Amino acid sequence: SQQGEEDPQALSIQEGENATMNCSYKTSINNLQWYRQNSGRGLVHLILIRSNEREKHSGRLRVTLDTSKKSSSLLITASRAADTASYFCATDAQTEPGNQFYFGTGTSLTVIP
Amino acid sequence: NAGVTQTPKFQVLKTGQSMTLQCAQDMNHEYMSWYRQDPGMGLRLIHYSVGAGITDQGEVPNGYNVSRSTTEDFPLRLLSAAPSQTSVYFCASSYGAYTEQFFGPGTRLTVL
Repeated sequence: SQQGEEDPQALSIQEGENATMNCSYKTSINNLQWYRQNSGRGLVHLILIRSNEREKHSGRLRVTLDTSKKSSSLLITASRAADTASYFCATDAQTEPGNQFYFGTGTSLTVIP
Repeated sequence: NAGVTQTPKFQVLKTGQSMTLQCAQDMNHEYMSWYRQDPGMGLRLIHYSVGAGITDQGEVPNGYNVSRSTTEDFPLRLLSAAPSQTSVYFCASSYGAYTEQFFGPGTRLTVL
């Protein structure tokens, strides 16, 4: 399986601190995506970074991608209690006709007010 | 737009029963997928479709069937439910391959 691995599995921080979570994957990709899942809900897309990009920003989110190490990181700055959720990375299978994604097992983030 | 809708939200089946999980999207997306989410396993792809009439297997297709007769609908069928199929099922759609996926709220299925 090409399933990614997130690290750490769980993370607990104080409101206002930064949260960093990492994702490692196994084979070449077209792009890597990060999703958030609030408890009992579906996943929500956060950001997509292409294989030829090294860094991308969206609001308080910063994503980096190192294709040589097959790894990515998601940084959430100035965290808020509302950021409490599970975060997943998703990589594509680079197969035709496409649309096959592999999700990691997720990082559970708790932001303490 | 309603986005991606799934029905039912909850379902309890007995071993051997059959049922269909419904998924619909109103965004005119060509690509749709079904995932299952189990504790500690992340999401695993069951089946996917790249357009009406075109479906293919994902990572864990055994025990599930799909069809795609319209762009909007992508039902998932369990022909003979087994306890191993107890899970939360998510449907997702996207406008292109490898683009942002929009997820439904999920169906929590328990097979006794």
